[in-house]
Amino acid sequence: DAGITQSPRHKVTETGTPVTLRCHQTENHRYMYWYRQDPGHGLRLIHYSYGVKDTDKGEVSDGYSVSRSKTEDFLLTLESATSSQTSVYFCAITPGGYGYTFGSGTRLTVV
Amino acid sequence: QQQVKQSPQSLIVQKGGIPIINCAYENTAFDYFPWYQQFPGKGPALLIAIRPDVSEKKEGRFTISFNKSAKQFSLHIMDSQPGDSATYFCAASIRDDKIIFGKGTRLHILP
Repeated sequence: DAGITQSPRHKVTETGTPVTLRCHQTENHRYMYWYRQDPGHGLRLIHYSYGVKDTDKGEVSDGYSVSRSKTEDFLLTLESATSSQTSVYFCAITPGGYGYTFGSGTRLTVV
Repeated sequence: QQQVKQSPQSLIVQKGGIPIINCAYENTAFDYFPWYQQFPGKGPALLIAIRPDVSEKKEGRFTISFNKSAKQFSLHIMDSQPGDSATYFCAASIRDDKIIFGKGTRLHILP
């Protein structure tokens, strides 16, 4: 998607290992969000950021942490991956106001 | 009160038919109601959105109907095509706060 890139696109990791997912934007948008998508649950907010070093928890934040040291990068870290964190992770950005632009997602499998 | 309830979970319609997806909300402070379309392997993309001061909005073959008193809104797809087969999410938000998503509807248009 234009202006927003997620990496990696796919990852398989072992239970108990730390994992970091990256969201990079070139739009200079203030707001960035991390969602996870699971069948039957839709899109659930994990963490979000209103600016550099300004982050807050969403509805499913347990087991996740985030960092935003630059406007363009929003990192999602699974401190110790569990099988319940197998999911597709989406980053979204917005300049504020209304309407998100989503990245293409990261498919994470924890074995 | 922050939930957005979406139905049905899945829907199969013949080409040319009019699929209808319904959503309901409780929080009367919501003032922005977008619909997102997601194709397999892609992130959700903004399709159409409405504010509560209007009862209907059309963009091409897509129409949102909004009933403020009933706290319900719906998406209609006119002259549906196989290319419309996707997952659709309704959502709601308050000003520039985080968007709350419904659980999604998997739509399949038969050729």
